[in-house]
Amino acid sequence: AQKITQTQPGMFVQEKEAVTLDCTYDTSDPSYGLFWYKQPSSGEMIFLIYQGSYDQQNATEGRYSLNFQKARKSANLVISASQLGDSAMYFCAMRETAYGNNRLAFGKGNQVVVIP
Amino acid sequence: DTGVSQDPRHKITKRGQNVTFRCDPISEHNRLYWYRQTLGQGPEFLTYFQNEAQLEKSRLLSDRFSAERPKGSFSTLEIQRTEQGDSAMYLCASSLSTGNTEAFFGQGTRLTVV
Repeated sequence: AQKITQTQPGMFVQEKEAVTLDCTYDTSDPSYGLFWYKQPSSGEMIFLIYQGSYDQQNATEGRYSLNFQKARKSANLVISASQLGDSAMYFCAMRETAYGNNRLAFGKGNQVVVIP
Repeated sequence: DTGVSQDPRHKITKRGQNVTFRCDPISEHNRLYWYRQTLGQGPEFLTYFQNEAQLEKSRLLSDRFSAERPKGSFSTLEIQRTEQGDSAMYLCASSLSTGNTEAFFGQGTRLTVV
């Protein structure tokens, strides 16, 4: 079963505008972590932001914030004040931590193109 | 230390040949992961090491795949008798073992089997 769902088609966003990338997840584990990674055309996966399942507040890292809605099992990424360098694929991932599990399960990604 | 390093960056091989990739993790990280990413997909987990011990293997890791981390530092991933379906980006990542910490990825090895 798909653990992470990212279904938005490729997105174009105007420079300096905000963009929201959707991510829903499926787990029965009460303890898990949610991650967002950016993958530019060079191929490297760049860590952006982390949200723990027990964290009370939404995570923020600079221009990145995570809109965590636990009851809906969603963890949307918000990028504020988009820059041309934000053009990339964005992947949502989850680590379920029960039973010593350490693997990250990734979604299929969202393509973002920032236009001037 | 400048991050996770993978070598080579690109590899083209003929079907049936063996290939080996190397990953050097961030030096203080004791966890090391291998993932495979095909076009249009997110990375898929292959295997995971804690120090030199291989603790998890995905069902994606067929008998033709073997991974080692002999001294708990660098790791190698070998694919024997390569098939065209093995063409993909192979990503290595490392992390600390304390807490639910993020994994840092290398730039990957792109394998093309012709």
